[in-house]
Amino acid sequence: QVQLVQSGAEVKKPGASVKVSCKASGYTFTSYDINWVRQATGQGLEWMGWMNPNSGNTGYAQKFQGRVTMTRNTSISTAYMELSSLRSEDTAVYYCAREGSSAASFDYWGQGTLVTVSS
Amino acid sequence: SYVLTQPPSVSVAPGQTARITCGGNNIGSKSVHWYQQKPGQAPVLVVYDDSDRPSGIPERFSGSNSGNTATLTISRVEAGDEADYYCQVWDSSSDHRPWVFGGGTKLTVL
Repeated sequence: QVQLVQSGAEVKKPGASVKVSCKASGYTFTSYDINWVRQATGQGLEWMGWMNPNSGNTGYAQKFQGRVTMTRNTSISTAYMELSSLRSEDTAVYYCAREGSSAASFDYWGQGTLVTVSS
Repeated sequence: SYVLTQPPSVSVAPGQTARITCGGNNIGSKSVHWYQQKPGQAPVLVVYDDSDRPSGIPERFSGSNSGNTATLTISRVEAGDEADYYCQVWDSSSDHRPWVFGGGTKLTVL
């Protein structure tokens, strides 16, 4: 069965960087784009960007341009999202999601990774 | 950028029909997806491409899309349907292929 398993919670200081991983299983990792979505406590979903695991091509939301980097390691079917210059407003749960073949909807999601930014 | 507008909350009694709207400029020309999110859990796709259901999603969940409004309809609402619901579209006007989410609607089952 398709699974996306994310790395554990992180606590970072303002100005630091965080790298969240998303390990895929149950399907061919390079066949589907991976998207990253975040959600601050009590808030809605916010799309951050996408990555094509086959080519490595990426596209980022304008809000995160210059601060976010999405990469992958195809040998271990894992996608990564790194966010730099962290500030308190980046405290949120970060999700990876597979962009499936059903009209490119997000058909599978990781369990989420809580990133807390605090001094 | 493209904006999707959802009502913050919708309330319905068990067994009744809930309708959650998602407004956007000419949204009828776009493909709309809907997600259900229960507290402490990741979102789950319940309707894709306006009106199709993934396998495992009850037939009680349906969708429509026309003009400036897309609608998620939940028939015979159950207590377990209480959750936040989000609509999503692809903003094709941008060359960065951005996805856009609505602000979310909290469905309360009375």
